[in-house]
Amino acid sequence: GAVVSQHPSRVICKSGTSVKIECRSLDFQATTMFWYRQFPKQSLMLMATSNEGSKATYEQGVEKDKFLINHASLTLSTLTVTSAHPEDSSFYICSARDRLLGGANGYTFGSGTRLTVV
Amino acid sequence: KQEVTQIPAALSVPEGENLVLNCSFTDSAIYNLQWFRQDPGKGLTSLLLIQSSQREQTSGRLNASLDKSSGRSTLYIAASQPGDSATYLCAVDQAGTALIFGKGTTLSVSS
Repeated sequence: GAVVSQHPSRVICKSGTSVKIECRSLDFQATTMFWYRQFPKQSLMLMATSNEGSKATYEQGVEKDKFLINHASLTLSTLTVTSAHPEDSSFYICSARDRLLGGANGYTFGSGTRLTVV
Repeated sequence: KQEVTQIPAALSVPEGENLVLNCSFTDSAIYNLQWFRQDPGKGLTSLLLIQSSQREQTSGRLNASLDKSSGRSTLYIAASQPGDSATYLCAVDQAGTALIFGKGTTLSVSS
């Protein structure tokens, strides 16, 4: 089945530094990848939609200059949290849809990244 | 704007019980609905995907139904086991946009 590999699974960084999270679709091409954030005991909230070769679309309230998204190929999307602060500590997770199957096969999720900013 | 609600928020049952998790959504114009399982601190595992034209899907001890017109879906778990303990998330797909999630039902099955 479709697999999305997300790295790192956990990261602790100092306040003010930047952290990059990668998501790769291993056995399918993903024109679109979605980035979510999940706070404790909350649901997944969409942050942005990443389209291969074009600029990401951000949800209302998400700072595009703080959360940089790059989708340079059909199998790789990255999320960089710039100048991280403790309030950015959260669980970040990506998902992708198979370009050929579209939505018929649902969405595949990465394993998530637990970010802790100290 | 689509909103997804899951009831109950938490559920504790003894091993062996059959149980039902509920999901409702406000806009019936969905492409499909997906049920996921999330273990603490982990990613999402897809359990069942129901296309908008379908009424139910089954996988092992899991059965999910969909009533699009009333905006409801249920996940039925038969003969629950301690290993079923997790958070169950319902999400709807509206014509290829990102999934919209409910807050989940946290299930605890005691042995």
